[in-house]
Amino acid sequence: DAKTTQPPSMDCAEGRAANLPCNHSTISGNEYVYWYRQIHSQGPQYIIHGLKNNETNEMASLIITEDRKSSTLILPHATLRDTAVYYCIVRRLSGNQFYFGTGTSLTVIP
Amino acid sequence: GAGVSQSPSNKVTEKGKDVELRCDPISGHTALYWYRQSLGQGLEFLIYFQGNSAPDKSGLPSDRFSAERTGGSVSTLTIQRTQQEDSAVYLCASSLGQGPREQYFGPGTRLTVT
Repeated sequence: DAKTTQPPSMDCAEGRAANLPCNHSTISGNEYVYWYRQIHSQGPQYIIHGLKNNETNEMASLIITEDRKSSTLILPHATLRDTAVYYCIVRRLSGNQFYFGTGTSLTVIP
Repeated sequence: GAGVSQSPSNKVTEKGKDVELRCDPISGHTALYWYRQSLGQGLEFLIYFQGNSAPDKSGLPSDRFSAERTGGSVSTLTIQRTQQEDSAVYLCASSLGQGPREQYFGPGTRLTVT
């Protein structure tokens, strides 16, 4: 599976959009981009995933660059409850394990 | 519906003792995964089950670690002769079969080896 690189930490003002970047320059054609988050002392929570098209759901939007070497998770209106560690994961179709890095610690500031 | 459950939620054990951690996946989920998260670290994959078989055990850190799954449902992760470096939160997740499906995580078992 391709390796991902994320900034270790970010701050975002409450009510503003949080844009979390992820680099996955070695991604291959059959690998999906997944985002999870982990709020302190809880298990990881699925957010969104995509292959090459941009995706949106009730939680977030995922923007994948045309060359698929990077992506951005967008939380449109961050709230204090969005404070968590956000993991960007690239996963191939065969096999099911997720390889998590250390993620980005997002702090939403009042 | 019920999510993934794990027991115990907390376990304190003495170095050298064996421990068993239990995971109850979401009903109908054929795939089950074990991860661990050491303090301040990201998640580390341990093992993956498809049904009762484990096609990928590559993440098990040593032969002191083993896991089994019976009836395509409950799984137990066993750590023999525990060491202090085994202290971590052990997370279980399940998903519907193979393919690009999200995994649903349990709350974890916090293991402390003294």
